Amino acid sequence: DAGITQSPRHKVTETGTPVTLRCHQTENHRYMYWYRQDPGHGLRLIHYSYGVKDTDKGEVSDGYSVSRSKTEDFLLTLESATSSQTSVYFCAISGKGLFYEQYFGPGTRLTVT
Amino acid sequence: QQPVQSPQAVILREGEDAVINCSSSKALYSVHWYRQKHGEAPVFLMILLKGGEQKGHEKISASFNEKKQQSSLYLTASQLSYSGTYFCGTPLIQGAQKLVFGQGTRLTINP
Repeated sequence: DAGITQSPRHKVTETGTPVTLRCHQTENHRYMYWYRQDPGHGLRLIHYSYGVKDTDKGEVSDGYSVSRSKTEDFLLTLESATSSQTSVYFCAISGKGLFYEQYFGPGTRLTVT
Repeated sequence: QQPVQSPQAVILREGEDAVINCSSSKALYSVHWYRQKHGEAPVFLMILLKGGEQKGHEKISASFNEKKQQSSLYLTASQLSYSGTYFCGTPLIQGAQKLVFGQGTRLTINP
């Protein structure tokens, strides 16, 4: 295992509520990513980080923000959750493998009612 | 810009072979392959690099055709444990760390 955890693992929240998901790694990988996975869409990148305080947008970043104040933690925030953000969210890390392969966390299932 | 995988789903009997394709409308610099079992996280299988170098899984092979902008994953003599959804991922820019993934191919292996 690459030493990557996500919290919470499951969450149900109401529309309009702010939500923060946490990704924690113990492997000192430089790169961290947030993906969402929906049926028929595969894995879509929301945001990624290439270092502490260094982040960039992915293909589906609207409605999401991220922060990385420490190497080991990457936070994903939904400022005001909407039903379209109901999804499974995966965090991934890379940077220490020879070919920058990505290692994924166990995922967070988020339901917005 | 998302790579296109084919087929979308395939059902096999144990011992049969399968080929999963990943095609891109843009230049391919490298192709990552991942497998995801139901309810679990994706797991890295292998990476194909420009020039045909293959790194990764010992029982599954792959090819990388730069001219055709396509990669194919070969699963021979499939085992029950091969069941899952396979994703290919490619960087949009050479050397980029972030990947764009295909929509996935669901593989079901029956006894």
